[in-house]
Amino acid sequence: RKEVEQDPGPFNVPEGATVAFNCTYSNSASQSFFWYRQDCRKEPKLLMSVYSSGNEDGRFTAQLNRASQYISLLIRDSKLSDSATYLCVVNPWGNQFYFGTGTSLTVIP
Amino acid sequence: GAVVSQHPSWVICKSGTSVKIECRSLDFQATTMFWYRQFPKQSLMLMATSNEGSKATYEQGVEKDKFLINHASLTLSTLTVTSAHPEDSSFYICSASQSAGNSPLHFGNGTRLTVT
Repeated sequence: RKEVEQDPGPFNVPEGATVAFNCTYSNSASQSFFWYRQDCRKEPKLLMSVYSSGNEDGRFTAQLNRASQYISLLIRDSKLSDSATYLCVVNPWGNQFYFGTGTSLTVIP
Repeated sequence: GAVVSQHPSWVICKSGTSVKIECRSLDFQATTMFWYRQFPKQSLMLMATSNEGSKATYEQGVEKDKFLINHASLTLSTLTVTSAHPEDSSFYICSASQSAGNSPLHFGNGTRLTVT
């Protein structure tokens, strides 16, 4: 079983829609979780860390479900500029980081 | 916030030559840095973990004699693609974390290598 599993999509949604991505992880002792955004031909950029209590940053909400071992990212009121690949990253311990495959999102006018 | 700088951003070289890519943590010390490769429309692939003052740990299938990694200081790791061939053309990215655990990875801006 992979350390992190992520639906690669693609997700094509209209402007203004709400879209959610999930990642499941296999190591129940994992401590840190992150969502990154990667634009075409660019490096991944940190979007949000995911905290146990859930956290929100504007239109973006990240949640952690330890019981089911998944993290989620919700984007409300999608904008054209949200089109990108969204990567989940799990840090089970120390300097080990496991990546999802990335989910491709295209927001359509 | 933590900044990782990667240089060069873009390089074209002839087949058979070697290319060195630098990765620097600008405002923090990184005992560990990571090197990735990404082909078009594919996921990031971890190539190796670079450890300051010791040998890098390579992922399965990555030739350590072809991809030389040196991490001589707490702020600099280098990746040298030796005797590059067209199939080595790819997007190479480095990353580092400020401290072990609970800190996110910060990525360099990537190096697009084209071997002709």
